[in-house]
Amino acid sequence: DAKTTQPPSMDCAEGRAANLPCNHSTISGNEYVYWYRQIHSQGPQYIIHGLKNNETNEMASLIITEDRKSSTLILPHATLRDTAVYYCIVRVERRSKSTFGDGTTLTVKP
Amino acid sequence: EPEVTQTPSHQVTQMGQEVILRCVPISNHLYFYWYRQILGQKVEFLVSFYNNEISEKSEIFDDQFSVERPDGSNFTLKIRSTKLEDSAMYFCASSESSKQYFGPGTRLTVT
Repeated sequence: DAKTTQPPSMDCAEGRAANLPCNHSTISGNEYVYWYRQIHSQGPQYIIHGLKNNETNEMASLIITEDRKSSTLILPHATLRDTAVYYCIVRVERRSKSTFGDGTTLTVKP
Repeated sequence: EPEVTQTPSHQVTQMGQEVILRCVPISNHLYFYWYRQILGQKVEFLVSFYNNEISEKSEIFDDQFSVERPDGSNFTLKIRSTKLEDSAMYFCASSESSKQYFGPGTRLTVT
């Protein structure tokens, strides 16, 4: 699986957009970009994934650069409950495992 | 939304004892996984299971570990002889195709 690089921590003001970057310069053509988050010691929670097109769902938007070497997760209106560790993971679909790095600790402040 | 469930939420055991951690994956899912997270460390992959057999395992998943899907609903992780270093959160996950859904975890404490 391709390796990902994320900043260790970020702060965001409540109500503002949180933009979390991820570098995955060794991504292969059949690998997807997934984002998960983990609040305290709870199980990781799926947020969004994409291959090459930008994606949006009720939780977030995912912007993938044209060369697919990096991506940005956007939480459009961050709330205090969005404080969590966010993981960017690159994997092939279906049965392949998720390889977690250290992620980005996002702190949303009032 | 359907959820992955895990029991127990917390298990305390003595070193050398056998433990079985239980998971009920989402009903129509075909792929099953176990991960663990030692306190303060990364989430680590242990094993994946598909079509009633192990499809991939990590170096952590040695002979002390085994997995089983004893019936149509449960997915279990057995640790035969627990060590102190097995203390961790253990997460079960399942997927149908792309998204992996994780359970809330079992906190295993080995004393």
